Amino acid sequence: QQQVKQSPQSLIVQKGGISIINCAYENTAFDYFPWYQQFPGKGPALLIAIRPDVSEKKEGRFTISFNKSAKQFSLHIMDSQPGDSATYFCAATENSGYSTLTFGKGTMLLVSP
Amino acid sequence: DAGVTQSPTHLIKTRGQQVTLRCSPKSGHDTVSWYQQALGQGPQFIFQYYEEEERQRGNFPDRFSGHQFPNYSSELNVNALLLGDSALYLCASSLTPGKPQHFGDGTRLSIL
Repeated sequence: QQQVKQSPQSLIVQKGGISIINCAYENTAFDYFPWYQQFPGKGPALLIAIRPDVSEKKEGRFTISFNKSAKQFSLHIMDSQPGDSATYFCAATENSGYSTLTFGKGTMLLVSP
Repeated sequence: DAGVTQSPTHLIKTRGQQVTLRCSPKSGHDTVSWYQQALGQGPQFIFQYYEEEERQRGNFPDRFSGHQFPNYSSELNVNALLLGDSALYLCASSLTPGKPQHFGDGTRLSIL
C-alpha cells in the first residue's frame, strides 16, 4: 500500500519558470512532511519541511503548500534554474518525526536552459 | 564537520552470499536509520537504531539485520542475497529519534 502518492513522475520546466510537484497521503496520523532533493550519485538532502498547523512555508525559492482537509501538499520552485535539475521526493512521518519516513516515488525535474 | 559516511560505495555480490554495509553518523548524531532505494523508486525504511537497540523495523525479512556500536556507527547485514536485493542502500542519522534525518550517499549493491 503506497501511503504517499507523488506526481508527476517527471517534469520539464524552462529556466525561470515555476516547477510544481504534488503529493497526496492517506494516513491522517502523518504530522510532519519533508521534501528531499537528490542528485545522481548522491543521497537525498532535506530541502524544506512543514507541519500541518500551517498552510504554507517558504524558504527562498522553495515553497510548500499544505491542504490538510484534502490530505495534499505540494512543492513549488520559483524561478527554476538548471541547477535545480534533480529528483525530488516528498515524505511523511507520524509522531512529530519519531516514526519512520514514508517516501513518495519521486519526481525527476529537468530545467532547460 | 563530516556528514554521514558510508562504505563501501559500490559492491558486487552473487546470489546466496552475505554482505555487510557500514555507516558512520554525522558528528553528534546518535540515531541511525537504514533505507533501501530501488532504481527509480523512493527510499524504503528498513530499520532504525538508537542506543544500540533496533527501535523500529520496516517490512523487510529477517535476512536483513543490523547493529549499532557504542560510538553510534552502524552496520547493515544481508544474508542469502537475492537478485531483488540489488539497490542503493542509504544510511541516515539524526540528533535523536524525531529530529530531521541526514542521509549519506549510499552503497550501491549489485547482485549477479
